[in-house]
Amino acid sequence: QKEVEQDPGPLSVPEGAIVSLNCTYSNSAFQYFMWYRQYSRKGPELLMYTYSSGNKEDGRFTAQVDKSSKYISLFIRDSQPSDSATYLCAMIVNQAGTALIFGKGTTLSVSS
Amino acid sequence: EPEVTQTPSHQVTQMGQEVILRCVPISNHLYFYWYRQILGQKVEFLVSFYNNEISEKSEIFDDQFSVERPDGSNFTLKIRSTKLEDSAMYFCASRDGRDTGELFFGEGSRLTVL
Repeated sequence: QKEVEQDPGPLSVPEGAIVSLNCTYSNSAFQYFMWYRQYSRKGPELLMYTYSSGNKEDGRFTAQVDKSSKYISLFIRDSQPSDSATYLCAMIVNQAGTALIFGKGTTLSVSS
Repeated sequence: EPEVTQTPSHQVTQMGQEVILRCVPISNHLYFYWYRQILGQKVEFLVSFYNNEISEKSEIFDDQFSVERPDGSNFTLKIRSTKLEDSAMYFCASRDGRDTGELFFGEGSRLTVL
């Protein structure tokens, strides 16, 4: 079983739709969870960062973590064409210097 | 806003040649990383570096790879004898000293091995 699983998509939605992106993981040692956005041929850019089960909201973005199910989600409300990108989930255990483990990324396309 | 900068943005090299990829992390950061992303695949961890030594490395980071922080500002990745399968985007990242510190990525260096 892969450590972090993420459906690569692609996912196509119309402008204004609510988008749900998900990852599952197998290692219960992961404590910190992130969502990165990556535009084509660019570096990953941090969107959301959470460390506890529950929801965290930032503007149109909501990150949700369910540690008991080993499942994390990112919701995008009122999606915009500028949200078209690849969204990477990533996670890390609570140790200095430990590697960030990424999912494969979900490619999202928002059409106007 | 402080950022991680990487050079070159794109390098083309012949198989068997040595390549050095350079990174300038954010100035007050203490942990430094190299990741790679083969086209169409996931971002993969290569190596982390702290206090002038490697703190962790993946199985990808074999003897042909090395890292160095030669002057307190640059952080380099050297590939001694490049192979075709080394063609990828190489991302440098850095973070501050907190265990929960966020990782900031550079724009990447695209390496093409012919």
